[in-house]
Amino acid sequence: GAGVSQSPSNKVTEKGKDVELRCDPISGHTALYWYRQSLGQGLEFLIYFQGNSAPDKSGLPSDRFSAERTGGSVSTLTIQRTQQEDSAVYLCASSLDGNEQFFGPGTRLTVL
Amino acid sequence: GESVGLHLPTLSVQEGDNSIINCAYSNSASDYFIWYKQESGKGPQFIIDIRSNMDKRQGQRVTVLLNKTVKHLSLQIAATQPGDSAVYFCAENQAGTALIFGKGTTLSVSS
Repeated sequence: GAGVSQSPSNKVTEKGKDVELRCDPISGHTALYWYRQSLGQGLEFLIYFQGNSAPDKSGLPSDRFSAERTGGSVSTLTIQRTQQEDSAVYLCASSLDGNEQFFGPGTRLTVL
Repeated sequence: GESVGLHLPTLSVQEGDNSIINCAYSNSASDYFIWYKQESGKGPQFIIDIRSNMDKRQGQRVTVLLNKTVKHLSLQIAATQPGDSAVYFCAENQAGTALIFGKGTTLSVSS
């Protein structure tokens, strides 16, 4: 079956522009997570959706970051007025049981 | 085989050796632990997991050990192969919360 997919795989943008990153979770998985991985670093939690509950936004680094999940499936992470420090790989994961998380391949964001 | 007592960012072994990668976790309330393997340009891939009511779990060529007293987790890889070369991350959570990732260890296997 299909795993978690993310698009685009690579995104290059100019400082100050807005970007949208997309995540398609595994069908039937109610939990969806966004993480950020800077070069050579571990994964940093950003935001978590569980079913119809209010999302856990405690990891978002600034109000320029937002995410939504439509219909309990696809999620979009939006970064407004991008800065160079936003350059990283953005990883999405989904989970059925709230423990094991299945990761997508990530979107590599480069802000010039 | 090679082993590390403390977390090291890199571990180099010979093909066929046993590898041990260590991780110290942070949250005493965590009840679920997982090891991921991440190859260059890819997302993390599940290796093995363990719940807090266990102290050892075995998979194919891999074993995870959990010591809750000292909040320590280790991953043992038997007969390490070149294809095992990757960055390995431990992670912890309580059900329904985000995973907290440890610092990765880069495993390099030479043949």
